[in-house]
Amino acid sequence: GEDVEQSLFLSVREGDSSVINCTYTDSSSTYLYWYKQEPGAGLQLLTYIFSNMDMKQDQRLTVLLNKKDKHLSLRIADTQTGDSAIYFCADYNTDKLIFGTGTRLQVFP
Amino acid sequence: DSGVTQTPKHLITATGQRVTLRCSPRSGDLSVYWYQQSLDQGLQFLIHYYNGEERAKGNILERFSAQQFPDLHSELNLSSLELGDSALYFCASSASISGGYSTDTQYFGPGTRLTVL
Repeated sequence: GEDVEQSLFLSVREGDSSVINCTYTDSSSTYLYWYKQEPGAGLQLLTYIFSNMDMKQDQRLTVLLNKKDKHLSLRIADTQTGDSAIYFCADYNTDKLIFGTGTRLQVFP
Repeated sequence: DSGVTQTPKHLITATGQRVTLRCSPRSGDLSVYWYQQSLDQGLQFLIHYYNGEERAKGNILERFSAQQFPDLHSELNLSSLELGDSALYFCASSASISGGYSTDTQYFGPGTRLTVL
């Protein structure tokens, strides 16, 4: 079946850029998403990219998609302590979202 | 605030019991999705309803069932509960039958945390 993989942890200093990576196996993906989950909270949609795009920028967020390698990344510029959370990438596949394991981003001052 | 509400926020029960989780979608959304988030399984899709009809099933156990009512709210019923059913259960909603497109993404509720003792 389809699979989405992420590294589990990322630690960055406040003000630096964060890059969270994701790989997926589904070659027929239409949209790929990034969600954020803060402690004790639900999932918040951050951004998405259509599969025929290479890059999408949305304020401090940049999504890069390498469809050949099935690799997706989320770059957060000027990372703040409020960005500390778990970030999930998700692949839309036949009426359901397949989530990665989530990457816990820790931002230290 | 996504506009999706879930009740209760927390639920503690014993093994063998049955519970019902409730979800109200965003106003106007016809699709409701249920997900389970646990430490060992991660975030998994359970089931999708559109306008009262079941559309897709994921890794949902036979002990679990769901329905969507005419007013579009949905309930997830979990029976014969086991310790391993302890998890965070999310509901999401989207406007149309397919919640996978940029103009129609899934919006998540805050979740119900179920603890089975």
